[in-house]
Amino acid sequence: DSGVTQTPKHLITATGQRVTLRCSPRSGDLSVYWYQQSLDQGLQFLIQYYNGEERAKGNILERFSAQQFPDLHSELNLSSLELGDSALYFCASSATLIGEQFFGPGTRLTVL
Amino acid sequence: EDKVVQSPLSLVVHEGDTVTLNCSYEVTNFRSLLWYKQEKKAPTFLFMLTSSGIEKKSGRLSSILDKKELSSILNITATQTGDSAIYLCAVGQGGSEKLVFGKGTKLTVNP
Repeated sequence: DSGVTQTPKHLITATGQRVTLRCSPRSGDLSVYWYQQSLDQGLQFLIQYYNGEERAKGNILERFSAQQFPDLHSELNLSSLELGDSALYFCASSATLIGEQFFGPGTRLTVL
Repeated sequence: EDKVVQSPLSLVVHEGDTVTLNCSYEVTNFRSLLWYKQEKKAPTFLFMLTSSGIEKKSGRLSSILDKKELSSILNITATQTGDSAIYLCAVGQGGSEKLVFGKGTKLTVNP
């Protein structure tokens, strides 16, 4: 157990809908990262927050957004969902900006 | 474009064998290279290698970073069935906090 928690574990929804994925980092970690993992693409970095501020952005779609709250938990919002958004979404945290990242168990999103 | 390439894509061995997994990278402003093990779900951290720490060892697992060749290897000796997993290599870049991941090597250890 890495100490990073994610909810929900599974999410099934329809195209066009909007969902919110939640992540709580390890105690004391200020940095939160979001990744998408699909079968053909592997793990793709989406976005990073550090102590409430956005720090780095990857290939995140405009339909996706994230934020980190004062208690350091983070939410990833996915809207206007498409079939291709079906994937495992991981959250990771690290104590510093560039330290090793510890991954949560992931949320499996299925868009029907 | 930054990229991390792992080889082989998959590997099947017998318990007790020694395996070597490869990772090569082409990224701007290299900072660190990390190895993760992914079993059923979440990747779990194994090692982080940097310019100041190019060799790491933990039990039967060891890893070396070759900054000249822009590559790293992960060695597993006396493999066990519990080593069956996907092994992911990721590279961190200076000035950016994101990790660029390879597609992984799927290792299967048969009894």
